[in-house]
Amino acid sequence: QQQVKQSPQSLIVQKGGISIINCAYENTAFDYFPWYQQFPGKGPALLIAIRPDVSEKKEGRFTISFNKSAKQFSLHIMDSQPGDSATYFCAASIEGVGGGADGLTFGKGTHLIIQP
Amino acid sequence: GAGVSQSPSNKVTEKGKDVELRCDPISGHTALYWYRQSLGQGLEFLIYFQGNSAPDKSGLPSDRFSAERTGGSVSTLTIQRTQQEDSAVYLCASSFFNYDTEAFFGQGTRLTVV
Repeated sequence: QQQVKQSPQSLIVQKGGISIINCAYENTAFDYFPWYQQFPGKGPALLIAIRPDVSEKKEGRFTISFNKSAKQFSLHIMDSQPGDSATYFCAASIEGVGGGADGLTFGKGTHLIIQP
Repeated sequence: GAGVSQSPSNKVTEKGKDVELRCDPISGHTALYWYRQSLGQGLEFLIYFQGNSAPDKSGLPSDRFSAERTGGSVSTLTIQRTQQEDSAVYLCASSFFNYDTEAFFGQGTRLTVV
């Protein structure tokens, strides 16, 4: 059973446009929601993360919107640039026993292409 | 080291052989994770270490998979009697103890079983 559903699978956006990627989760115990960016041949790298006590977090051109009641969160990339072309993964996790982190549950990823 | 180091970067093995994948985490990171990334799929959680102990092995897909971590540092993921469906990129990540600190990923080991 997939616990984090991500959409769309692929996305093409014109340079300067807004890229929007959505995720929905099922487990209400999740309490940490990061987004990872992955370039070909590289491991994923943390882009931005949010906890459920806030509804929005912005870092530069990247914004996470979080809707706890709907169990949804999304990534918005403003003024999208060709260098943003990558695969983006949403993820969720639960604080583990003793405060340590259990593994992240990832969405299946969105392949984003920014056309110049 | 400066980042999470994984070796080998690529591994081609014959079906039925055993393979060992190595992960050298960032110095001082107590938590270490193994994930598997198949083509077109997301990242599948395999196992998590806190120090040398593995409180969560629930993601290991079969008893052919095992992992250990010694000295709270280097970890090895062993796949016995490899099958073609084991072909994937195996990613290792490490982080500090707190649950919402960033997990840093290595570049992965691309395993191909022929």
